[in-house]
Amino acid sequence: AQSVTQLDSHVSVSEGTPVLLRCNYSSSYSPSLFWYVQHPNKGLQLLLKYTSAATLVKGINGFEAEFKKSETSFHLTKPSAHMSDAAEYFCVVSVGGNYGQNFVFGPGTRLSVLP
Amino acid sequence: NAGVTQTPKFQVLKTGQSMTLQCAQDMNHEYMSWYRQDPGMGLRLIHYSVGAGITDQGEVPNGYNVSRSTTEDFPLRLLSAAPSQTSVYFCASSRQAGPGNTIYFGEGSWLTVV
Repeated sequence: AQSVTQLDSHVSVSEGTPVLLRCNYSSSYSPSLFWYVQHPNKGLQLLLKYTSAATLVKGINGFEAEFKKSETSFHLTKPSAHMSDAAEYFCVVSVGGNYGQNFVFGPGTRLSVLP
Repeated sequence: NAGVTQTPKFQVLKTGQSMTLQCAQDMNHEYMSWYRQDPGMGLRLIHYSVGAGITDQGEVPNGYNVSRSTTEDFPLRLLSAAPSQTSVYFCASSRQAGPGNTIYFGEGSWLTVV
């Protein structure tokens, strides 16, 4: 079975400092991995995705994530936080073989950015 | 640029009432799904469909029905609303159900059952 763990339910950083949101997954198959962002009262927007090409994936708004198979991790980073980055972030694993559970969501990490 | 469109955005229901949340996508996607989002629980899959005429249950299907008569539309029906169904509901679609396909979300429907 597939699962996603987001190690921090809440991360707080100061504006201009680096962001690290952690994600670990378990999967019996070669996964595709995604990060989505959800701003308050909004839908989920795709930040970036990994689909077995380059292990370092660049996304929108300066975010990037590195796929590390040996550590089963897909941590999301940004060099310098902006106030507009305050949101909820979801790590998602996508696998084949079972359409019903094709997309498995982590519980989310809430990012706060302090002035 | 419509993408995935959900209606209504906000709804208040009384216990026992029924209603339908509408979802439409204009991307000719095969795969559509409904999730509910509750505090501290992330997104949980209610029902999904891999094509017109094909639906199946997800993780939390009780109290909900779906149908997929066309590729574009995937309505979610609450049969007899209960306070436990107070939640935010998201419709989503992707080109196919296989790995690597990006899932696109609607803006969400906030439902309160009193």
